[in-house]
Amino acid sequence: SQTIHQWPATLVQPVGSPLSLECTVEGTSNPNLYWYRQAAGRGLQLLFYSVGIGQISSEVPQNLSASRPQDRQFILSSKKLLLSDSGFYLCAWSVSGSSSYNSPLHFGNGTRLTVT
Amino acid sequence: GENVEQHPSTLSVQEGDSAVIKCTYSDSASNYFPWYKQELGKRPQLIIDIRSNVGEKKDQRIAVTLNKTAKHFSLHITETQPEDSAVYFCAASPRASKIIFGSGTRLSIRP
Repeated sequence: SQTIHQWPATLVQPVGSPLSLECTVEGTSNPNLYWYRQAAGRGLQLLFYSVGIGQISSEVPQNLSASRPQDRQFILSSKKLLLSDSGFYLCAWSVSGSSSYNSPLHFGNGTRLTVT
Repeated sequence: GENVEQHPSTLSVQEGDSAVIKCTYSDSASNYFPWYKQELGKRPQLIIDIRSNVGEKKDQRIAVTLNKTAKHFSLHITETQPEDSAVYFCAASPRASKIIFGSGTRLSIRP
């Protein structure tokens, strides 16, 4: 069966410091991969999604970036964190392949980031 | 781009009553509409989804309806129970692989 691993679970970082959050998926090949952010009491904002290695779509202009160095690995990064980057970051995957219909998202456990 | 509006933001119902959450979307190309439930401090989990070639789908106490002409879809929970208390998110997919979420509804079930 497929599993998704996301780490760390919690992170406290000072303003201006770098960020690296990692997500890996097991048990499937060539998944679609996603990064969402959830601010406190708010909805799920799509940050990045990827349909293959090296293919990253950015949804929101910001100081974050994403990379997919391997088929089942998705990394969220920042060179300098802002206070507004605080939130709950969720990685997710879905089955790829269909151009007509989408498969559901499967979320990781999330990383709670606090920028101080 | 796609915009998904969700109402209400909070909903309180008596245990045993029904709850309805409504969403509208802007992109007529959207063809997949999942609903997720997020319990406090946990990851969102899929509870039901519907594709654009279907008008209604049921799974035990939950059902989803879709009106493509009006571009709105709704979640119906009947015979609500305490474990239904959570935040519910609707979502729409305007193109393959891209899924946009609504702002969420916090559902509380009163005993």
